[in-house]
Amino acid sequence: KAGVTQTPRYLIKTRGQQVTLSCSPISGHRSVSWYQQTPGQGLQFLFEYFSETQRNKGNFPGRFSGRQFSNSRSEMNVSTLELGDSALYLCASSLAPAGNTGELFFGEGSRLTVL
Amino acid sequence: TQLLEQSPQFLSIQEGENLTVYCNSSSVFSSLQWYRQEPGEGPVLLVTVVTGGEVKKLKRLTFQFGDARKDSSLHITAAQPGDTGLYLCAGAGAGSYQLTFGKGTKLSVIP
Repeated sequence: KAGVTQTPRYLIKTRGQQVTLSCSPISGHRSVSWYQQTPGQGLQFLFEYFSETQRNKGNFPGRFSGRQFSNSRSEMNVSTLELGDSALYLCASSLAPAGNTGELFFGEGSRLTVL
Repeated sequence: TQLLEQSPQFLSIQEGENLTVYCNSSSVFSSLQWYRQEPGEGPVLLVTVVTGGEVKKLKRLTFQFGDARKDSSLHITAAQPGDTGLYLCAGAGAGSYQLTFGKGTKLSVIP
């Protein structure tokens, strides 16, 4: 079956702009989690959605937001981009809510560069 | 905040050597997972350990969960170039739906 699909794979933005990233989970998976990966901080949890509800949120400013649609597809948005937002943004889907010993299936990520 | 510290941060070894990667925390985890990430790809789950003292083997990889469920180790026997990648441990706290990841160990196996 098709894996987790993230779009776009690469994008370049300038400071102050906003960006929307998309994630299509594996068919049947209702949980979608978002992570930011940087060389210095590793994978940091952004938020998790399950059945269109945000179940958990990491320690990121309000400029980072997300949502999940009825078909489980998810989007995350970052407004007023800063240089430090440059990172690989990973989406992961799972059958059960994340952290419930269920396996996370990751997409290939969206690499954002902020100039 | 639950933190997972992985060591070493970087490891470069010759093909055929053995190695151990560690994942430590002061917090107790209900379960712990190990992932491997290759360049340009997302992490892929290798194993999940749930019971304190549990040992799981996956071909040349041996995973152990500490008795107190605060730490874990990954041992690779006779490393091969295909083992090259970033190894990440991730823990779930009791009653938490959030996985906490370590910063990873970047392994390079030289032919």
